[in-house]
Amino acid sequence: RKEVEQDPGPFNVPEGATVAFNCTYSNSASQSFFWYRQDCRKEPKLLMSVYSSGNEDGRFTAQLNRASQYISLLIRDSKLSDSATYLCVVIGFNNAGNMLTFGGGTRLMVKP
Amino acid sequence: GAVVSQHPSWVICKSGTSVKIECRSLDFQATTMFWYRQFPKQSLMLMATSNEGSKATYEQGVEKDKFLINHASLTLSTLTVTSAHPEDSSFYICSGRLYNEQFFGPGTRLTVL
Repeated sequence: RKEVEQDPGPFNVPEGATVAFNCTYSNSASQSFFWYRQDCRKEPKLLMSVYSSGNEDGRFTAQLNRASQYISLLIRDSKLSDSATYLCVVIGFNNAGNMLTFGGGTRLMVKP
Repeated sequence: GAVVSQHPSWVICKSGTSVKIECRSLDFQATTMFWYRQFPKQSLMLMATSNEGSKATYEQGVEKDKFLINHASLTLSTLTVTSAHPEDSSFYICSGRLYNEQFFGPGTRLTVL
């Protein structure tokens, strides 16, 4: 089983739709979680951190369910510019300290 | 946010040659830098963790003699792909850690013919 798993999609939605992505992680000791956004042929960029209490940033809402070991991202009122791959990221640890473990990404395509 | 640059952004080389990729933190000092590789339609896979002034820590399955990492200063880490082969063609991305956040470089697309 992969450490961090996501539905690869693609999710094809019309403008204005609400779309949700889930991500599951296998290490119950994981402490920190993030959603990154990656545009085609570009580097990933931090979208938002995921807190235990859930957090919202404009049209984006992130939730964490520790008991079930999953993280979700909800996007409301989708814009064309939201089209990208969304990466679920979990912080783990290796011998060199902490490290990011990326899920495979979920591709979103918002259409007019 | 902090800025990380990579050079070159795109390189094409013949099989058997070596390619050096530079990763620089432009406005912060990164004691730790990370090197990732991303194949098409796949996620980023950590290759190695680079600590300034010490040897890099490689992830399982990554050959340290093939992917040479040098982190000689707090703002520069280099990855050298030695004797590159077509299967090494990939998108290589570095990141620098500042406090608990990682900032990514724009990536280097390597194509080995």
